[in-house]
Amino acid sequence: GENVEQHPSTLSVQEGDSAVIKCTYSDSASNYFPWYKQELGKGPQLIIDIRSNVGEKKDQRIAVTLNKTAKHFSLHITETQPEDSAVYFCAASFTGNQFYFGTGTSLTVIP
Amino acid sequence: NAGVTQTPKFQVLKTGQSMTLQCAQDMNHNSMYWYRQDPGMGLRLIYYSASEGTTDKGEVPNGYNVSRLNKREFSLRLESAAPSQTSVYFCASSAETVSGNTIYFGEGSWLTVV
Repeated sequence: GENVEQHPSTLSVQEGDSAVIKCTYSDSASNYFPWYKQELGKGPQLIIDIRSNVGEKKDQRIAVTLNKTAKHFSLHITETQPEDSAVYFCAASFTGNQFYFGTGTSLTVIP
Repeated sequence: NAGVTQTPKFQVLKTGQSMTLQCAQDMNHNSMYWYRQDPGMGLRLIYYSASEGTTDKGEVPNGYNVSRLNKREFSLRLESAAPSQTSVYFCASSAETVSGNTIYFGEGSWLTVV
């Protein structure tokens, strides 16, 4: 089955700096790659996603890039703010009902 | 705007006790899921239901049973709780679109088995 690896497991950045979280996947059939933000005590919330026919997608300060050849995708957060502090999960999916999640990255934005 | 609602939020069980986690979604989604989340292990799929009346095992189904009561509701049952089932449980549902599925999570249920 699919295997999704996520790095780093923890990340600290100064407010205003950029943060990058990387994920790799093993199954070339995967074609949908969502990113989730999980705040303390809450469920994961979808923040951005990308499908395999697109190389990059942006939504304000958040962007995701996908390299299908290398089988990796990344989340980029620019101009980080303290409210960006959370755990971020990547996922890969290649069928309608199978989502494979990374182990999460705990992001801390230092004011 | 309820989305995915799960109950209870917190529960403490003694080893061997049984309980059911309830989940309901109001987004008319066909697919529903139960995940558990443990430190350093991300989200692991317990069971999922692609449609009303069907259920399938995920990555970690042992010790659990599920029921897809109707399109809205998907419950998770622990028949004889074990300390290894101490975890945070998330129910989720997904929307089928032309370009694929998007999954939405509930707020979580914190279960401690002592």
